[in-house]
Amino acid sequence: NAGVMQNPRHLVRRRGQEARLRCSPMKGHSHVYWYRQLPEEGLKFMVYLQKENIIDESGMPKERFSAEFPKEGPSILRIQQVVRGDSAAYFCASSLGVDGTQYFGPGTRLLVL
Amino acid sequence: GESVGLHLPTLSVQEGDNSIINCAYSNSASDYFIWYKQESGKGPQFIIDIRSNMDKRQGQRVTVLLNKTVKHLSLQIAATQPGDSAVYFCAENIKAAGNKLTFGGGTRVLVKP
Repeated sequence: NAGVMQNPRHLVRRRGQEARLRCSPMKGHSHVYWYRQLPEEGLKFMVYLQKENIIDESGMPKERFSAEFPKEGPSILRIQQVVRGDSAAYFCASSLGVDGTQYFGPGTRLLVL
Repeated sequence: GESVGLHLPTLSVQEGDNSIINCAYSNSASDYFIWYKQESGKGPQFIIDIRSNMDKRQGQRVTVLLNKTVKHLSLQIAATQPGDSAVYFCAENIKAAGNKLTFGGGTRVLVKP
């Protein structure tokens, strides 16, 4: 049973470009969470989605950031017009149900030049 | 509030000794706690969890203790091995408020051979 998959593992963008991060949850999991991690810090919650619905986006910046989890396909975290401060590791987690343990993917390391 | 640190506290332990990692959580309403292990360049890996109606829970070589009076959580690793070298994070959650996790600042464990 494959774990949570994320791609790309590393992404380099220039300021002003768009970044698209993809997350495929564990098989059977319909709850997806995105977190951001700066070096030497803990993870910070960004957004929680179920299939086709955003449940909680309280941790996501209001501008330039968006997330979706379509009926078919992976969850996408999209960052428009990236700035250097967006450089971080972005982790996706999935759970079986709303009370389920969250299992994390390997992360996408975004570097904005 | 969340613990944010520019320099992770480090625990150096001799191989074969027991390790104790501590975590102070902030929200007295939190009712679910998890320990994650994160190796360099990887995503957090679930170790063990505990609900607030318990004081202690044991897994394979690991024990989590919860003291709700002083809002303190600890992870004990028995017979620490080189493969235990990693950063360890505690995370808290209020189940009734959704499934987003609030992470602590992390502790780096270095196992000396």
